[in-house]
Amino acid sequence: KQEVTQIPAALSVPEGENLVLNCSFTDSAIYNLQWFRQDPGKGLTSLLLIQSSQREQTSGRLNASLDKSSGRSTLYIAASQPGDSATYLCAVLNSGGSNYKLTFGKGTLLTVNP
Amino acid sequence: EAQVTQNPRYLITVTGKKLTVTCSQNMNHEYMSWYRQDPGLGLRQIYYSMNVEVTDKGDVPEGYKVSRKEKRNFPLILESPSPNQTSLYFCASSFKVTYEQYFGPGTRLTVT
Repeated sequence: KQEVTQIPAALSVPEGENLVLNCSFTDSAIYNLQWFRQDPGKGLTSLLLIQSSQREQTSGRLNASLDKSSGRSTLYIAASQPGDSATYLCAVLNSGGSNYKLTFGKGTLLTVNP
Repeated sequence: EAQVTQNPRYLITVTGKKLTVTCSQNMNHEYMSWYRQDPGLGLRQIYYSMNVEVTDKGDVPEGYKVSRKEKRNFPLILESPSPNQTSLYFCASSFKVTYEQYFGPGTRLTVT
């Protein structure tokens, strides 16, 4: 059974700092990995999707890397801003024949202080 | 605007009173799914649908039903709600299961 862990559970940083969020998974036979952002009381917004054959994806100040063999992904946020404050979740997609399963981590609550 | 919509956004009901939470997407997505989110437990999948008329159980299907008669709609039905179904519910869709997932805004359900 796939297990996804995100450490730390919460992180507080001053504005302008570069930071890294971590995601680890136990079953490395993944199809892809997706990072999401969730604002309080709202739905999830997709940030980046990395296919299993890719090493990284970038979007603006965000860079996500994937090391499938070690079961790890990181989300790098450059020059953090107060508007980046949210919960960040990673989710991995496994496939078993015709069945697919998306497993979520419990998230990292990020606070960026002005 | 491409989006996933859910209704209602907030619902307070009583034990045993049947209810339906609607989910609709306007992106012609094949794959749709329902999740519940609870503190300390994270997001757990209830049901999913690979396409019209094709549905299957997720991790926590007990007490829920779904149907997929049209591509755009995927309602979640609680035939006899109980207090342990109090939760935040999300609908999601994607072009296919292996593509980027799009989430609705959520439905906060309270069962007393």
